[in-house]
Amino acid sequence: EDQVTQSPEALRLQEGESSSLNCSYTVSGLRGLFWYRQDPGKGPEFLFTLYSAGEEKEKERLKATLTKKESFLHITAPKPEDSATYLCAVPETSGSRLTFGEGTQLTVNP
Amino acid sequence: GAVVSQHPSRVICKSGTSVKIECRSLDFQATTMFWYRQFPKQSLMLMATSNEGSKATYEQGVEKDKFLINHASLTLSTLTVTSAHPEDSSFYICSALDRVETQYFGPGTRLLVL
Repeated sequence: EDQVTQSPEALRLQEGESSSLNCSYTVSGLRGLFWYRQDPGKGPEFLFTLYSAGEEKEKERLKATLTKKESFLHITAPKPEDSATYLCAVPETSGSRLTFGEGTQLTVNP
Repeated sequence: GAVVSQHPSRVICKSGTSVKIECRSLDFQATTMFWYRQFPKQSLMLMATSNEGSKATYEQGVEKDKFLINHASLTLSTLTVTSAHPEDSSFYICSALDRVETQYFGPGTRLLVL
């Protein structure tokens, strides 16, 4: 059974204080790993897809990386508007259903 | 990026009535859409997979007669909560699958059953 574990559950940063969120996964055959951002009362917003170990993708202050066992979402010099819950997910081996982690709730204080 | 809309964004209904929620992919065609439910402070819970032109596939424990799904076109899926009760109150989110198998999510529908 596919498993996705995110840590920490919650992270509080000061504006400009860089950090990383972790997503550990156990799947029989990785067909991609997705990162989403979810604001309160809204649906998740797609951020990145990573397909193979060593791959990196960047978007503004966010950079996602992938190894064979985990993915990191690095946040460089975060701003208060980066506050949200960040979700990672992996698709099932044969199909498109996603297994989500429980998310990391990020709060960036000004 | 791909855009998925949901309507309504918020609905309040009386117990025993039915409520229909629409999910549209605005700038791409989606043969597959998904319906999720989310409780406060929890991650998304998949309810069903909606395939255009065929019957939906429901997750274990989800009542298919209570949550009717219709995927009549490549851009529209609907979820009807039949005979709604207060315990059906929740945040319902749909997603649409694009050609490279990325799910794009709608903004969600907040349902309150009185």
